[in-house]
Amino acid sequence: DAKTTQPPSMDCAEGRAANLPCNHSTISGNEYVYWYRQIHSQGPQYIIHGLKNNETNEMASLIITEDRKSSTLILPHATLRDTAVYYCIDILINDYKLSFGAGTTVTVRA
Amino acid sequence: EAGVVQSPRYKIIEKKQPVAFWCNPISGHNTLYWYRQNLGQGPELLIRYENEEAVDDSQLPKDRFSAERLKGVDSTLKIQPAELGDSAVYLCASSPPTGPKNIQYFGAGTRLSVL
Repeated sequence: DAKTTQPPSMDCAEGRAANLPCNHSTISGNEYVYWYRQIHSQGPQYIIHGLKNNETNEMASLIITEDRKSSTLILPHATLRDTAVYYCIDILINDYKLSFGAGTTVTVRA
Repeated sequence: EAGVVQSPRYKIIEKKQPVAFWCNPISGHNTLYWYRQNLGQGPELLIRYENEEAVDDSQLPKDRFSAERLKGVDSTLKIQPAELGDSAVYLCASSPPTGPKNIQYFGAGTRLSVL
């Protein structure tokens, strides 16, 4: 069962930053925060992960609060192709069992 | 580089019929996973292979589901006989021998409809 909490849906405007929240109320000290997304009719796609520090890659930025109880995935300039279900997952490094919850359905509107 | 390839993309069968799904992982990826995704939910792991060995099949309903990965490359997931509740998307994923196992590469899935 998923241990994270996400809003069921959110809209954002094309070209604007999309900030996706996630609550990690039961995260343990050695669990990482992972984000995946699933575009309609496709399989999930890895986006980014982090432990304590903020992370950035070519797809997104990840902000993790100091107490690690919440994180925010930032899509800096959302496009229509970013419309997808976004999942945040707490997981030990090298634990292969990805526990996807219901995720957040993000709709980017023109 | 080709991604994870699954076939067929869609399958419609009547209940009690058998069905099989095929997966070819990314070249060089020794770990292969099968997931099931019910409508409106996230994927759930069914089985994990390390090369040709099924190292975790604890979530696979063994009365009707079976899987094989004979040469440690492509894999087949079978259901016999199918039930109405088996309607779902069946996803295959793979991961390389190095790097975290949390990073998995998924195929597009096979959507099964059991009538």
